[in-house]
Amino acid sequence: GQNIDQPTEMTATEGAIVQINCTYQTSGFNGLFWYQQHAGEAPTFLSYNVLDGLEEKGRFSSFLSRSKGYSYLLLKELQMKDSASYLCAPLDSNYQLIWGAGTKLIIKP
Amino acid sequence: GAGVSQSPRYKVAKRGQDVALRCDPISGHVSLFWYQQALGQGPEFLTYFQNEAQLDKSGLPSDRFFAERPEGSVSTLKIQRTQQEDSAVYLCASSLNTGGEKLFFGSGTQLSVL
Repeated sequence: GQNIDQPTEMTATEGAIVQINCTYQTSGFNGLFWYQQHAGEAPTFLSYNVLDGLEEKGRFSSFLSRSKGYSYLLLKELQMKDSASYLCAPLDSNYQLIWGAGTKLIIKP
Repeated sequence: GAGVSQSPRYKVAKRGQDVALRCDPISGHVSLFWYQQALGQGPEFLTYFQNEAQLDKSGLPSDRFFAERPEGSVSTLKIQRTQQEDSAVYLCASSLNTGGEKLFFGSGTQLSVL
């Protein structure tokens, strides 16, 4: 079956660094997306990894290991506005996104 | 338009009523998806259109759910004889082509069935 595993909730301090892990099992694999979703709003695109390694984009970086079925999202210099849910979503063999339940990130001053 | 537009933003229905939810994707986007999202959960796939063709409707929870995209642009998700378990946020997303591109989401329609 297809399965996504992320922590339900994480708490971090403003200015710090946090790493949100995601493990996945899918029928085939065509890359992995990370989306950010603020409460009551639509998900917005953060990153897409299709090859192994680290992709850096400003304060946000995303890592992928296809052999381990593992990805993480790294957020640096945390700001209060980063409080949101972070959704890990791999693409299966049919190019369908398989969504996890998301990790709710709480930033404290 | 500049982004994916959904209407209404909020919908309250009495149990047994029919509802219709509208999605205006980004102009020219080929792929259109409907998702259902419960509170604290990720989006659950409902159905997928490529232009006007509904290629996958495997996620529709029952035959009370029906979606269409007759001219390959605007799409409507219709729920007949609504039940309380239909209460959720319904998200529409579109992408330029096919094959797993970045999705652009609308703000969703929050449906509450009383």
